[in-house]
Amino acid sequence: QKEVEQDPGPLSVPEGAIVSLNCTYSNSAFQYFMWYRQYSRKGPELLMYTYSSGNKEDGRFTAQVDKSSKYISLFIRDSQPSDSATYLCAMSASTGGFKTIFGAGTRLFVKA
Amino acid sequence: DTGVSQDPRHKITKRGQNVTFRCDPISEHNRLYWYRQTLGQGPEFLTYFQNEAQLEKSRLLSDRFSAERPKGSFSTLEIQRTEQGDSAMYLCASSSSYQTGASENTIYFGEGSWLTVV
Repeated sequence: QKEVEQDPGPLSVPEGAIVSLNCTYSNSAFQYFMWYRQYSRKGPELLMYTYSSGNKEDGRFTAQVDKSSKYISLFIRDSQPSDSATYLCAMSASTGGFKTIFGAGTRLFVKA
Repeated sequence: DTGVSQDPRHKITKRGQNVTFRCDPISEHNRLYWYRQTLGQGPEFLTYFQNEAQLEKSRLLSDRFSAERPKGSFSTLEIQRTEQGDSAMYLCASSSSYQTGASENTIYFGEGSWLTVV
């Protein structure tokens, strides 16, 4: 079993839809949780960072962490075609980003 | 632009040849990471430097792989006697131990170096 599980999709939604992306994990030591967005043939770029449990909102993006269920989510409101990308969840037990573990990524397509 | 810079962006090589990738991290970052990513997978950790010291290597990093960061600034990743299974995107990332919160605990990636072994 992988430490981080993420449905690879693809997920296809119409423009304006609310998108929900999720990851589960097995290592209870993880306490730093990130979401990265990766466009085709590009490096991942950081979208959201959350420490421990709770919610964090940034514009159209909301990240949620439920450590009791070992489950994290990223919500995208009013999705746009420019949101079409692969979304990677990532997490770490250590400070400093050391040994950040990534999910496989979910491919999202937002249709105009 | 002061982001992470990688060179070359693309490399096609014949099996058995050696290749070297270079990474220039964000200038104020003292930590540097190499990851490998294949199609449909997330990045997999290869190795980690703090300043010039290589502190951790993944079991994925076979003897044919070597990474250096001689002056604690740029880094190189060399693959000797390349195999077709080495075809992947090699990602460099950096972070800083001198900051706190999100800035300390997140890593920032370059655009990656694509390797195709034929």
